[in-house]
Amino acid sequence: QQQVKQSPQSLIVQKGGISIINCAYENTAFDYFPWYQQFPGKGPALLIAIRPDVSEKKEGRFTISFNKSAKQFSLHIMDSQPGDSATYFCAAIASGTYKYIFGTGTRLKVLA
Amino acid sequence: DSGVTQTPKHLITATGQRVTLRCSPRSGDLSVYWYQQSLDQGLQFLIQYYNGEERAKGNILERFSAQQFPDLHSELNLSSLELGDSALYFCASSVGGTSNNEQFFGPGTRLTVL
Repeated sequence: QQQVKQSPQSLIVQKGGISIINCAYENTAFDYFPWYQQFPGKGPALLIAIRPDVSEKKEGRFTISFNKSAKQFSLHIMDSQPGDSATYFCAAIASGTYKYIFGTGTRLKVLA
Repeated sequence: DSGVTQTPKHLITATGQRVTLRCSPRSGDLSVYWYQQSLDQGLQFLIQYYNGEERAKGNILERFSAQQFPDLHSELNLSSLELGDSALYFCASSVGGTSNNEQFFGPGTRLTVL
Protein backbone atom coordinates (compact mmCIF):
# COMPACT_ATOMS: atom_id res chain seq x y z
CA GLN A 1 0.00 0.00 0.00
CA GLN A 2 3.02 2.23 0.39
CA GLN A 3 4.26 1.66 -3.15
CA VAL A 4 4.29 4.04 -6.05
CA LYS A 5 4.42 2.20 -9.35
CA GLN A 6 6.17 4.08 -12.13
CA SER A 7 6.24 3.23 -15.83
CA PRO A 8 7.87 2.89 -18.23
CA GLN A 9 11.29 2.00 -16.91
CA SER A 10 12.91 3.59 -19.96
CA LEU A 11 11.69 5.78 -22.78
CA ILE A 12 13.18 6.92 -26.06
CA VAL A 13 11.58 9.90 -27.77
CA GLN A 14 12.45 11.90 -30.86
CA LYS A 15 13.31 15.56 -30.47
CA GLY A 16 10.11 17.58 -30.51
CA GLY A 17 7.97 14.66 -29.40
CA ILE A 18 5.92 14.20 -26.24
CA SER A 19 7.34 12.17 -23.36
CA ILE A 20 4.80 10.62 -20.99
CA ILE A 21 5.65 8.96 -17.68
CA ASN A 22 2.99 7.42 -15.49
CA CYS A 23 2.71 6.73 -11.78
CA ALA A 24 0.08 4.97 -9.72
CA TYR A 25 -0.41 4.81 -5.98
CA GLU A 26 -2.73 3.03 -3.57
CA ASN A 27 -2.57 4.90 -0.28
CA THR A 28 -5.21 7.64 -0.24
CA ALA A 29 -3.29 9.42 2.52
CA PHE A 30 -0.84 10.74 -0.06
CA ASP A 31 -1.54 14.42 -0.63
CA TYR A 32 1.49 15.86 -2.41
CA PHE A 33 2.95 14.53 -5.64
CA PRO A 34 6.30 15.93 -6.83
CA TRP A 35 8.33 14.94 -9.86
CA TYR A 36 12.12 15.00 -9.77
CA GLN A 37 14.66 15.15 -12.57
CA GLN A 38 18.08 13.58 -12.08
CA PHE A 39 21.07 13.94 -14.38
CA PRO A 40 23.97 11.46 -14.17
CA GLY A 41 26.26 12.20 -11.26
CA LYS A 42 23.82 14.67 -9.71
CA GLY A 43 21.17 14.56 -7.03
CA PRO A 44 17.48 14.73 -7.95
CA ALA A 45 16.01 18.19 -8.44
CA LEU A 46 12.36 19.14 -8.06
CA LEU A 47 10.75 19.67 -11.44
CA ILE A 48 7.07 20.23 -10.72
CA ALA A 49 4.58 19.18 -8.06
CA ILE A 50 0.81 18.89 -7.67
CA ARG A 51 -1.76 18.51 -4.94
CA PRO A 52 -4.85 16.32 -5.41
CA ASP A 53 -7.25 19.27 -5.39
CA VAL A 54 -6.28 20.13 -8.98
CA SER A 55 -6.33 17.87 -12.03
CA GLU A 56 -3.55 19.51 -13.98
CA LYS A 57 -0.56 21.75 -13.44
CA LYS A 58 1.61 23.19 -16.16
CA GLU A 59 5.02 24.81 -15.94
CA GLY A 60 6.56 25.59 -19.29
CA ARG A 61 6.90 22.38 -21.29
CA PHE A 62 6.15 20.21 -18.24
CA THR A 63 2.62 19.22 -17.24
CA ILE A 64 1.34 16.99 -14.46
CA SER A 65 -2.03 15.35 -14.99
CA PHE A 66 -3.70 14.00 -11.87
CA ASN A 67 -6.59 11.54 -11.68
CA LYS A 68 -7.65 11.27 -8.07
CA SER A 69 -10.31 8.60 -8.57
CA ALA A 70 -7.91 6.35 -10.47
CA LYS A 71 -5.06 7.19 -8.09
CA GLN A 72 -2.80 7.93 -11.02
CA PHE A 73 -0.69 10.86 -12.10
CA SER A 74 1.54 11.46 -15.05
CA LEU A 75 4.24 13.77 -16.31
CA HIS A 76 4.05 15.08 -19.85
CA ILE A 77 7.07 16.72 -21.44
CA MET A 78 6.04 18.62 -24.53
CA ASP A 79 8.49 19.40 -27.35
CA SER A 80 11.07 17.08 -25.75
CA GLN A 81 14.67 18.19 -26.17
CA PRO A 82 17.97 16.28 -25.93
CA GLY A 83 18.71 18.30 -22.78
CA ASP A 84 15.69 16.64 -21.17
CA SER A 85 17.52 13.29 -21.27
CA ALA A 86 17.64 12.30 -17.61
CA THR A 87 16.03 10.00 -15.09
CA TYR A 88 12.64 11.11 -13.80
CA PHE A 89 11.17 10.08 -10.46
CA CYS A 90 7.64 10.54 -9.28
CA ALA A 91 6.99 10.67 -5.56
CA ALA A 92 4.03 10.57 -3.24
CA ILE A 93 4.04 12.24 0.13
CA ALA A 94 1.61 11.85 3.01
CA SER A 95 1.86 15.12 4.90
CA GLY A 96 0.28 13.93 8.10
CA THR A 97 2.56 10.95 8.54
CA TYR A 98 5.72 12.22 6.82
CA LYS A 99 5.85 9.34 4.40
CA TYR A 100 8.04 9.93 1.33
CA ILE A 101 7.65 7.25 -1.31
CA PHE A 102 9.46 7.43 -4.63
CA GLY A 103 8.83 5.60 -7.86
CA THR A 104 11.60 3.48 -9.33
CA GLY A 105 12.48 6.02 -12.00
CA THR A 106 12.19 6.38 -15.79
CA ARG A 107 15.29 6.84 -17.87
CA LEU A 108 14.38 9.20 -20.70
CA LYS A 109 16.49 9.60 -23.80
CA VAL A 110 15.58 12.24 -26.35
CA LEU A 111 17.18 11.69 -29.73
CA ALA A 112 18.47 14.70 -31.61
CA ASP B 1 24.41 23.57 -7.56
CA SER B 2 21.74 23.00 -4.89
CA GLY B 3 23.78 24.45 -2.04
CA VAL B 4 23.75 21.14 -0.17
CA THR B 5 27.20 19.63 0.32
CA GLN B 6 28.05 16.01 1.05
CA THR B 7 31.35 14.42 1.95
CA PRO B 8 32.99 12.24 0.99
CA LYS B 9 32.07 11.88 -2.65
CA HIS B 10 33.18 8.26 -2.80
CA LEU B 11 33.81 5.73 -0.09
CA ILE B 12 35.14 2.19 -0.47
CA THR B 13 35.19 -0.05 2.55
CA ALA B 14 34.92 -3.68 3.59
CA THR B 15 32.08 -5.71 5.01
CA GLY B 16 31.69 -5.37 8.75
CA GLN B 17 33.13 -1.88 8.85
CA ARG B 18 31.54 1.38 9.97
CA VAL B 19 31.42 4.63 8.01
CA THR B 20 30.13 8.15 8.55
CA LEU B 21 28.62 10.28 5.81
CA ARG B 22 28.38 14.01 6.30
CA CYS B 23 25.90 16.56 5.00
CA SER B 24 25.76 20.34 5.23
CA PRO B 25 22.34 21.78 4.38
CA ARG B 26 21.68 24.96 2.42
CA SER B 27 22.09 28.10 4.43
CA GLY B 28 18.87 28.75 6.34
CA ASP B 29 17.44 25.26 5.91
CA LEU B 30 16.43 23.55 9.13
CA SER B 31 15.44 20.12 7.82
CA VAL B 32 17.79 17.42 6.62
CA TYR B 33 16.71 14.21 4.93
CA TRP B 34 18.71 11.09 4.10
CA TYR B 35 17.95 8.80 1.17
CA GLN B 36 19.48 5.61 -0.19
CA GLN B 37 19.50 5.07 -3.95
CA SER B 38 20.30 1.62 -5.23
CA LEU B 39 19.98 0.31 -8.76
CA ASP B 40 17.15 -2.08 -8.05
CA GLN B 41 15.16 -0.10 -5.51
CA GLY B 42 15.27 3.50 -6.56
CA LEU B 43 15.19 6.19 -3.90
CA GLN B 44 14.38 5.04 -0.40
CA PHE B 45 13.68 7.58 2.33
CA LEU B 46 15.69 6.83 5.46
CA ILE B 47 15.20 9.58 8.00
CA GLN B 48 14.42 13.28 8.48
CA TYR B 49 15.69 15.72 11.09
CA TYR B 50 14.28 19.15 11.80
CA ASN B 51 16.29 21.63 13.83
CA GLY B 52 18.19 18.91 15.61
CA GLU B 53 15.26 16.62 16.35
CA GLU B 54 14.21 13.47 14.54
CA ARG B 55 11.03 14.27 12.57
CA ALA B 56 10.32 11.18 10.50
CA LYS B 57 11.67 7.71 9.98
CA GLY B 58 11.49 5.64 6.84
CA ASN B 59 13.14 2.38 5.86
CA ILE B 60 16.23 2.89 7.97
CA LEU B 61 17.97 -0.25 9.19
CA GLU B 62 18.86 -0.63 12.86
CA ARG B 63 22.53 -0.75 11.81
CA PHE B 64 22.15 2.81 10.52
CA SER B 65 21.81 5.92 12.65
CA ALA B 66 21.82 9.62 12.06
CA GLN B 67 21.95 12.87 13.94
CA GLN B 68 21.71 16.58 13.28
CA PHE B 69 24.07 18.84 15.17
CA PRO B 70 23.47 22.35 16.58
CA ASP B 71 25.08 23.89 13.50
CA LEU B 72 22.48 21.91 11.49
CA HIS B 73 24.90 19.67 9.66
CA SER B 74 23.99 16.01 9.76
CA GLU B 75 25.83 12.72 9.82
CA LEU B 76 24.62 9.30 8.75
CA ASN B 77 26.42 6.42 10.44
CA LEU B 78 26.38 3.00 8.79
CA SER B 79 27.74 0.09 10.78
CA SER B 80 28.31 -3.65 10.31
CA LEU B 81 28.31 -2.96 6.61
CA GLU B 82 27.07 -5.58 4.18
CA LEU B 83 27.54 -5.91 0.44
CA GLY B 84 23.92 -4.87 -0.03
CA ASP B 85 24.59 -1.49 1.57
CA SER B 86 26.52 -0.43 -1.53
CA ALA B 87 24.51 2.46 -2.93
CA LEU B 88 24.35 6.18 -3.46
CA TYR B 89 23.39 8.05 -0.31
CA PHE B 90 21.76 11.42 -0.79
CA CYS B 91 21.16 14.15 1.69
CA ALA B 92 18.51 16.78 1.05
CA SER B 93 17.49 19.87 2.95
CA SER B 94 14.45 22.12 3.15
CA VAL B 95 13.56 25.33 4.90
CA GLY B 96 10.74 23.97 7.01
CA GLY B 97 9.90 20.72 8.67
CA THR B 98 6.63 19.96 6.95
CA SER B 99 6.61 17.21 4.39
CA ASN B 100 5.56 19.36 1.44
CA ASN B 101 8.54 21.68 1.63
CA GLU B 102 10.72 21.61 -1.47
CA GLN B 103 13.72 19.43 -0.87
CA PHE B 104 17.12 20.32 -2.33
CA PHE B 105 19.38 17.35 -2.89
CA GLY B 106 23.13 17.18 -2.53
CA PRO B 107 25.40 15.42 -5.04
CA GLY B 108 25.45 12.20 -3.04
CA THR B 109 28.06 9.88 -1.55
CA ARG B 110 28.75 6.68 -3.44
CA LEU B 111 29.43 3.87 -0.98
CA THR B 112 31.01 0.66 -2.18
CA VAL B 113 31.25 -2.24 0.26
CA LEU B 114 33.67 -4.97 -0.82
